[in-house]
Amino acid sequence: DAGVIQSPRHEVTEMGQEVTLRCKPISGHDYLFWYRQTMMRGLELLIYFNNNVPIDDSGMPEDRFSAKMPNASFSTLKIQPSEPRDSAVYFCASSLTGNRLDYGYTFGSGTRLTVV
Amino acid sequence: SQQGEEDPQALSIQEGENATMNCSYKTSINNLQWYRQNSGRGLVHLILIRSNEREKHSGRLRVTLDTSKKSSSLLITASRAADTASYFCATDRGSTLGRLYFGRGTQLTVWP
Repeated sequence: DAGVIQSPRHEVTEMGQEVTLRCKPISGHDYLFWYRQTMMRGLELLIYFNNNVPIDDSGMPEDRFSAKMPNASFSTLKIQPSEPRDSAVYFCASSLTGNRLDYGYTFGSGTRLTVV
Repeated sequence: SQQGEEDPQALSIQEGENATMNCSYKTSINNLQWYRQNSGRGLVHLILIRSNEREKHSGRLRVTLDTSKKSSSLLITASRAADTASYFCATDRGSTLGRLYFGRGTQLTVWP
């Protein structure tokens, strides 16, 4: 398996533009997580899905953020409109049965978003 | 808010020395996990220790868990320059819903 695949690796966009981040989880994993990492706030959980259904989106900063998981092999995180304070590294992670098995989460390589 | 609090925030050692990082948490847990993050990369799962376990080993890694003190430690023996990374602990806060709560991490630098 190629692991969790995120695209793009880097994204530079102007304030006000729409940004879409993509994630392909590991086949067979039933949990998918979106995290945001910044120096100031560390790793923040934005939203997570179980069997394609959003379970907890309380970490989504505001209505400008939305996430979808139309099927078991694909998820998107969209920011519209983007703002400079959204600049961060966004990680997608997947796991089997959540947090209970010995191999934990598998993270993607992240998308570094810069909003200018 | 962060669940785990790693200590120290930064640690700098020479190759061959042992590195010890600590994690404290506030609630009951089912398990505690440690992850490593190399610069510019995603987190990599290292080891999971369950609440009824006190110690676990994996290669040069040794993890201990003291649920009475709500703390865990990660020991890396005979460190190498390639161990340079940030190390995070994560807990489930006793929930079985699947999510993990990560700490702020310890930045370990191993000098050759």
